[in-house]
Amino acid sequence: AQSVTQPDIHITVSEGASLELRCNYSYGATPYLFWYVQSPGQGLQLLLKYFSGDTLVQGIKGFEAEFKRSQSSFNLRKPSVHWSDAAEYFCAVTNSGGYQKVTFGTGTKLQVIP
Amino acid sequence: DTAVSQTPKYLVTQMGNDKSIKCEQNLGHDTMYWYKQDSKKFLKIMFSYNNKELIINETVPNRFSPKSPDKAHLNLHINSLELGDSAVYFCASRKLAGAEDTQYFGPGTRLTVL
Repeated sequence: AQSVTQPDIHITVSEGASLELRCNYSYGATPYLFWYVQSPGQGLQLLLKYFSGDTLVQGIKGFEAEFKRSQSSFNLRKPSVHWSDAAEYFCAVTNSGGYQKVTFGTGTKLQVIP
Repeated sequence: DTAVSQTPKYLVTQMGNDKSIKCEQNLGHDTMYWYKQDSKKFLKIMFSYNNKELIINETVPNRFSPKSPDKAHLNLHINSLELGDSAVYFCASRKLAGAEDTQYFGPGTRLTVL
């Protein structure tokens, strides 16, 4: 069965500092990978996704993520964090085709300090 | 022109009552989901429908009954509400199209059972 692990429950960074949120997945075949962001009281918004091809994917709001098959990872990065990036971040995995479910990680809460 | 909408946004009710949450998407997608997000932000899939047919039922108690009158709507009816049902419920629609595979989430319905 597919699974997603986000080892960091809570991360605090200073505004302007770089950010990396970790995500490890378990899946037998080539996965489809996603990062979503959830602001307080809001639904989830897609930041970026990986299906195939270039392992470094660019997303919205200046985020990027790198797929590393050898490490089963899909870490999210941003070179300079803004206070508005404070939110909950979810990594998710599914597979191609059919109606397979999307499995979400437990989320990482990002706090940004001035 | 909201893509995925849910009503109501907040729902406060007594134990034992029956309630419904409605979801509508105007994206033309065939696949829709219900997720439950608990107080620890863990997002768990409950149901998946494709073209009005139930595809995934993640061992949810049968007090929960989804209904899909057409492709654009997936409603969730809950009988005999219990305290443990308190959570935020998210509806999502999904475009199953290879590299365009994306889920779009509604704003959520916060259910509080007293």
